[in-house]
Amino acid sequence: GENVEQHPSTLSVQEGDSAVIKCTYSDSASNYFPWYKQELGKRPQLIIDIRSNVGEKKDQRIAVTLNKTAKHFSLHITETQPEDSAVYFCAASGSGNTGKLIFGQGTTLQVKP
Amino acid sequence: GAGVSQSPSNKVTEKGKDVELRCDPISGHTALYWYRQRLGQGLEFLIYFQGNSAPDKSGLPSDRFSAERTGESVSTLTIQRTQQEDSAVYLCASSPVSQDYGYTFGSGTRLTVV
Repeated sequence: GENVEQHPSTLSVQEGDSAVIKCTYSDSASNYFPWYKQELGKRPQLIIDIRSNVGEKKDQRIAVTLNKTAKHFSLHITETQPEDSAVYFCAASGSGNTGKLIFGQGTTLQVKP
Repeated sequence: GAGVSQSPSNKVTEKGKDVELRCDPISGHTALYWYRQRLGQGLEFLIYFQGNSAPDKSGLPSDRFSAERTGESVSTLTIQRTQQEDSAVYLCASSPVSQDYGYTFGSGTRLTVV
């Protein structure tokens, strides 16, 4: 069935370092890959997304790369700051012509000042 | 409204009781989704509504769970005969066009079954 694997489950970095979170998906028909940030006790919020017709997208300190052949995509955060600390979820669109997203299990990122 | 609104924000119920959770999507958003998030875990898909099409119910965990939506307005998620394993945050999201836009999530309903 549809599945998204996310690694690592926890990640601790020093302020200013880079952080990378990786996801793999199972459905080759998936064509939309968003990333969400969820701060403690708050709702998930979309931070960046990528569609299958591009290999990379960047927005300031955040970038996402996609390898459709290997069915994996990654989130890169550069120059991390304490306010980047949160749980990050990757997702992939489900099969069929629906908007259903399949989410990864999440990565808890801690940025130490 | 300005965002996706969910109510109640918190609900404590006794095992065996029925509960009803409400989601008011962003005006004009045709797609609406329900997800469940257990403590410290990811988002588990429950059900998806798109306009007047038949809903995708493939994620509902048992026949105790059901959801309704009238047109492109409010949706209700009903859990009958609640069990302790139903305790979780239930998140609703809406999007203007399925598959083309990221979701906007509501703040969720934290359900605790005691």
